[in-house]
Amino acid sequence: GQQLNQSPQSMFIQEGEDVSMNCTSSSIFNTWLWYKQDPGEGPVLLIALYKAGELTSNGRLTAQFGITRKDSFLNISASIPSDVGIYFCAGHLGGSEKLVFGKGTKLTVNP
Amino acid sequence: GAVVSQHPSWVICKSGTSVKIECRSLDFQATTMFWYRQFPKQSLMLMATSNEGSKATYEQGVEKDKFLINHASLTLSTLTVTSAHPEDSSFYICSARPLTGDPPYEQYFGPGTRLTVT
Repeated sequence: GQQLNQSPQSMFIQEGEDVSMNCTSSSIFNTWLWYKQDPGEGPVLLIALYKAGELTSNGRLTAQFGITRKDSFLNISASIPSDVGIYFCAGHLGGSEKLVFGKGTKLTVNP
Repeated sequence: GAVVSQHPSWVICKSGTSVKIECRSLDFQATTMFWYRQFPKQSLMLMATSNEGSKATYEQGVEKDKFLINHASLTLSTLTVTSAHPEDSSFYICSARPLTGDPPYEQYFGPGTRLTVT
């Protein structure tokens, strides 16, 4: 099936550092969503993007919907230990209501 | 708002038995609910899409007779794993899409159900 290429697969950073992760696809997406999943929990929606070029912030998180509609990035500024978790990008292809997920970026923050 | 619950949060069952997992949208009505499974260190894999009052649509490779889905109301969907086997052990997660609202595309996820089949 359609896959989103999410990178990096994992990141190890020091508390206070900024983080950037991205997703790309060969297909055009109508929406881009970023989720965070803690161990043993369901994903929690962080940011939703609906228009090409849209840049949206949620606290220390910023995400952008690429102009080509084939990519998105998520930035986390001034990381803190509770940012630890797995971040997933997801999106809707065309008029489909189904979400396509990336493989996730595992973030580790060292105090 | 937009809270989705799942019950049970974890379950252990013997091979050959059936297990029912409930997914509820607590503070909104959901036109569509989705069921995913997630293996350790992997992404979410969509199993089926469930619309209230109609038959679920299963993804390719998912056995509809093994994973029975019932979407009885706008706030409740159930997944029954029939004749469970150890290979069915996984983390099952549901999500719900609001009936109304702006924007209309967001899915809100439940906390997941850990199924272990012995």
